[in-house]
Amino acid sequence: DIQMTQSPSTLSASVGDRVTITCRASQYISSWLAWYQQKPGKAPKLLIYKASSLESGVPSRFSGSGSGTEFTLTISSLQPDDFATYYCQHYNSYPLTFGGGTRVEIK
Amino acid sequence: EVQLVESGGGLIQPGGSLRLSCAASGITVSSNYMNWVRQAPGKGLEWVSSIYSGGSTYYADSVKGRFTISRDNSKNTLYLQMNSLRAEDTAVYYCARDLGAGHYFDCWGQGTPVTVSS
Repeated sequence: DIQMTQSPSTLSASVGDRVTITCRASQYISSWLAWYQQKPGKAPKLLIYKASSLESGVPSRFSGSGSGTEFTLTISSLQPDDFATYYCQHYNSYPLTFGGGTRVEIK
Repeated sequence: EVQLVESGGGLIQPGGSLRLSCAASGITVSSNYMNWVRQAPGKGLEWVSSIYSGGSTYYADSVKGRFTISRDNSKNTLYLQMNSLRAEDTAVYYCARDLGAGHYFDCWGQGTPVTVSS
């Protein structure tokens, strides 16, 4: 199985900050990676697919990059609505697996 | 607008069975790749099972042989039959659609909670 490791697990930041979250795969997954945002008590929301493709309706301050085994999600200017937990997920093969999550909290 | 609505969750004793449903509107379940993803309390996301439009099914090792994914085309509904339930199956269960171009999830239901406890 492919293991997905996110870092950091928690991130404290202020409105307007540039935020970067890293996701590493235990083996090569090309660009088969998605990013989700989840708020407490809600279902996850797709942000990015194929490592860098922005889902329709998602603000352009979100961007994704990387390929192979190392990936990043960047929020260019953190907004109040962005305080949430973020997950990466590979879809290179079954079983599909998620990273452990990165909680972005208010500094 | 695509809407997925899960139901069927609840409190069940270890070893018991439960069937979750996911009623879809705005999409045709049989034409899509449908999935179940769960989240244990305070934990991360875990993929559980997928059913392809052609009928192929896939399961996480943790549920293989105990859970069965299926669909009823006439009701446009996805199911997850869960047998031999364990405490570690306690979670919110989400149904989610993937478009098949890649197995990421673009639409999610609101989730239904399952608690396995005596």
